[in-house]
Amino acid sequence: DAGVIQSPRHEVTEMGQEVTLRCKPISGHNSLFWYRQTMMRGLELLIYFNNNVPIDDSGMPEDRFSAKMPNASFSTLKIQPSEPRDSAVYFCASSGSGGPQGEQFFGPGTRLTVL
Amino acid sequence: RKEVEQDPGPFNVPEGATVAFNCTYSNSASQSFFWYRQDCRKEPKLLMSVYSSGNEDGRFTAQLNRASQYISLLIRDSKLSDSATYLCATTGGYNKLIFGAGTRLAVHP
Repeated sequence: DAGVIQSPRHEVTEMGQEVTLRCKPISGHNSLFWYRQTMMRGLELLIYFNNNVPIDDSGMPEDRFSAKMPNASFSTLKIQPSEPRDSAVYFCASSGSGGPQGEQFFGPGTRLTVL
Repeated sequence: RKEVEQDPGPFNVPEGATVAFNCTYSNSASQSFFWYRQDCRKEPKLLMSVYSSGNEDGRFTAQLNRASQYISLLIRDSKLSDSATYLCATTGGYNKLIFGAGTRLAVHP
């Protein structure tokens, strides 16, 4: 079975450019999470969706960040304009009601470098 | 104060050693707790859930101490392949997880 799919796996961009990260959750999962991981701050939850509806976006750092989930099989995280401090690994994770509570399946991540 | 705190380590131990990590949480209302494992440059994966009565899975034992608000992970007979970062997590409402920053374990020959 395919796990959570993220693209691109690596992104290098210049400050001020728009960055779009993509995620396809595991089929049948109804919750989707976007995380950011850095050495300094660890793994931070940015936003999560349940049944395609944003439930909690309190972790989104600022207005430059936005996330959408137009359907059950696709989500995007957009940064516009990007800044060097946005450099991090961005993970998407999904979970379903049928599995053990707390089990989130993570994608391989997108390593973002903003120059 | 962070909601979930861990000693970052690294814990450097020889093969065969027993090693234990603790993780403290600040929200006394937290209901569920988990340990995730993250290999270098990989994504986190669920290692085990932590039940009130404690639970064991092979060489791994997880325990919860609600009075002192911490969970622990004990690894017996460490293997080289146990080298990784171990993240503790607790539920923060609905399906949301709050992660600690992780404890790095390095097992050497």
